[in-house]
Amino acid sequence: DQQVKQNSPSLSVQEGRISILNCDYTNSMFDYFLWYKKYPAEGPTFLISISSIKDKNEDGRFTVFLNKSAKHLSLHIVPSQPGDSAVYFCAASRPGDGNEKLTFGTGTRLTIIP
Amino acid sequence: GAGVSQSPSNKVTEKGKDVELRCDPISGHTALYWYRQSLGQGLEFLIYFQGNSAPDKSGLPSDRFSAERTGGSVSTLTIQRTQQEDSAVYLCASSRGDQETQYFGPGTRLLVL
Repeated sequence: DQQVKQNSPSLSVQEGRISILNCDYTNSMFDYFLWYKKYPAEGPTFLISISSIKDKNEDGRFTVFLNKSAKHLSLHIVPSQPGDSAVYFCAASRPGDGNEKLTFGTGTRLTIIP
Repeated sequence: GAGVSQSPSNKVTEKGKDVELRCDPISGHTALYWYRQSLGQGLEFLIYFQGNSAPDKSGLPSDRFSAERTGGSVSTLTIQRTQQEDSAVYLCASSRGDQETQYFGPGTRLLVL
């Protein structure tokens, strides 16, 4: 039972344009959401997070939006750069689990076209 | 090095054999986590160590899986009597403590023939 879903396995975006990666979740108990980025042969690295008390969090070129009623979050990257090409994982946790037990999506491979 | 390291990077074994996977967390990190990623799946939580507390083993898929953390640092994940469905990338992460950012190692790719 996949509680965190990334329905697009891959996405290609022109350099300079906006990349939008989507994530849906089914467990309404999730209250903390994160995005990780993974390059080949490396472990995932933390990118940005958002608590359920917010609907937007911004960090430089990266913005995460949370729509609790739709159980949907998205990561916006603008402008997209070639170094952004990687696999992006969405993750979620429940109250009490803190940042310990993360439930991850299956990832979206983003390719930035120069 | 400054990051989380894991060994071996790749492991091929025969069905029924035992394997040990090692994780060296970032120095000073009190929390250590094991995850695995099977083909086409997201990362799946396996086990969590925090300081001297009893580990949270709730994610271990069967009693063939066990993990130790010696001296609050290095951890070993052991899979006994491996099965083909154990084939996956096993990822270790560490953090400074509860609710802190997790830093991942590069993973061990396990293939059970």
